[in-house]
Amino acid sequence: GAGVSQSPRYKVAKRGQDVALRCDPISGHVSLFWYQQALGQGPEFLTYFQNEAQLDKSGLPSDRFFAERPEGSVSTLKIQRTQQEDSAVYLCASSRRWAGANVLTFGAGSRLTVL
Amino acid sequence: KNEVEQSPQNLTAQEGEFITINCSYSVGISALHWLQQHPGGGIVSLFMLSSGKKKHGRLIATINIQEKHSSLHITASHPRDSAVYICAVLPMNYGGSQGNLIFGKGTKLSVKP
Repeated sequence: GAGVSQSPRYKVAKRGQDVALRCDPISGHVSLFWYQQALGQGPEFLTYFQNEAQLDKSGLPSDRFFAERPEGSVSTLKIQRTQQEDSAVYLCASSRRWAGANVLTFGAGSRLTVL
Repeated sequence: KNEVEQSPQNLTAQEGEFITINCSYSVGISALHWLQQHPGGGIVSLFMLSSGKKKHGRLIATINIQEKHSSLHITASHPRDSAVYICAVLPMNYGGSQGNLIFGKGTKLSVKP
């Protein structure tokens, strides 16, 4: 596609519910990143894929968070048993190669509100 | 401890003014990104630089690696420049992950007509 597409744009979940957030990166982009942005804060790194390989998941805050990119294109970030502190905007970005040498293209984000 | 500090946090300017946003960081870096975030969340990448200076239209970004400092300048500011500007660095010793950017908290710019 022309840009990075994220869905849903807005998600309201009850505490304890599982959610899945989807990212469709630019076609051919090798690297895919997930970030979490709390209200009034800068984004924080969650995880990074190079093609289908998850090379870094050090930013995932707990084992309730899981990300996959099985075919090296679309990625899904899954949050199990959501908690109120999970409320944030989840941003996906992709780049042609690796972030240090390439500009990132961001999606519009998925805003999660946990009640 | 904030590894990336931006100043000011908030900035209000009159249309036409020259604007400077600063970013200081405490780690060795491979690259630095300037990003623009509009209300609603969408982020646009403005610049990626590792040395010197880049210019795109009315935007100029500079970096001083020795001083661990970067600035984003906007000339002839316009109300449509109103947004949050975020500085993000890619640490040199990132432990194998090329995606582990460290972000500043952003500078909220409001340009009044």
